[in-house]
Amino acid sequence: QQPVQSPQAVILREGEDAVINCSSSKALYSVHWYRQKHGEAPVFLMILLKGGEQKGHEKISASFNEKKQQSSLYLTASQLSYSGTYFCGTEYVGSARQLTFGSGTQLTVLP
Amino acid sequence: NAGVMQNPRHLVRRRGQEARLRCSPMKGHSHVYWYRQLPEEGLKFMVYLQKENIIDESGMPKERFSAEFPKEGPSILRIQQVVRGDSAAYFCASSPRDNSPLHFGNGTRLTVT
Repeated sequence: QQPVQSPQAVILREGEDAVINCSSSKALYSVHWYRQKHGEAPVFLMILLKGGEQKGHEKISASFNEKKQQSSLYLTASQLSYSGTYFCGTEYVGSARQLTFGSGTQLTVLP
Repeated sequence: NAGVMQNPRHLVRRRGQEARLRCSPMKGHSHVYWYRQLPEEGLKFMVYLQKENIIDESGMPKERFSAEFPKEGPSILRIQQVVRGDSAAYFCASSPRDNSPLHFGNGTRLTVT
């Protein structure tokens, strides 16, 4: 069962902020975030393990709420290069190690 | 350090032919994953392999699809008797161990005519 991402799409102006959410109905062990540009391979952004930790990568950070089985990706002061489709990938407690990806959030940053 | 290498980048097959997709993981990576992606859609898990072992193939169609990761050489995803619905981008990813990031190859875009 794949995680649910929201919103499906978002359009921003350069310098604006965005939040992308990822939620699961099953207990999560970890959440991964990737960005994919059109016609290219997905690129790893960050991984969060259960424990409610928050991580940062340049102006992109993420949180993992273990109680709610949710993760959020925060993009601050967005740049044109942030455009792409963002996927969360989830690992579930007790299952063999595979990432199940959400359907993606298409982010467009306009000048 | 070379990344994950997939070949070919583009593959065209006629219905009924066989497609072989190759993936060489990053040096030092023993975990290989295959994902399928349809246009404008997400990545669908197919199979997870370690050297000479299939760990999880729950995402693989029961018929016509097989995967291997031999002791020597690349991982191979094999699709027999391809049909139009097999047209998609197939991505391979590798990682060195559990709970570590996946490194994706550039994918093989399969077109079945």
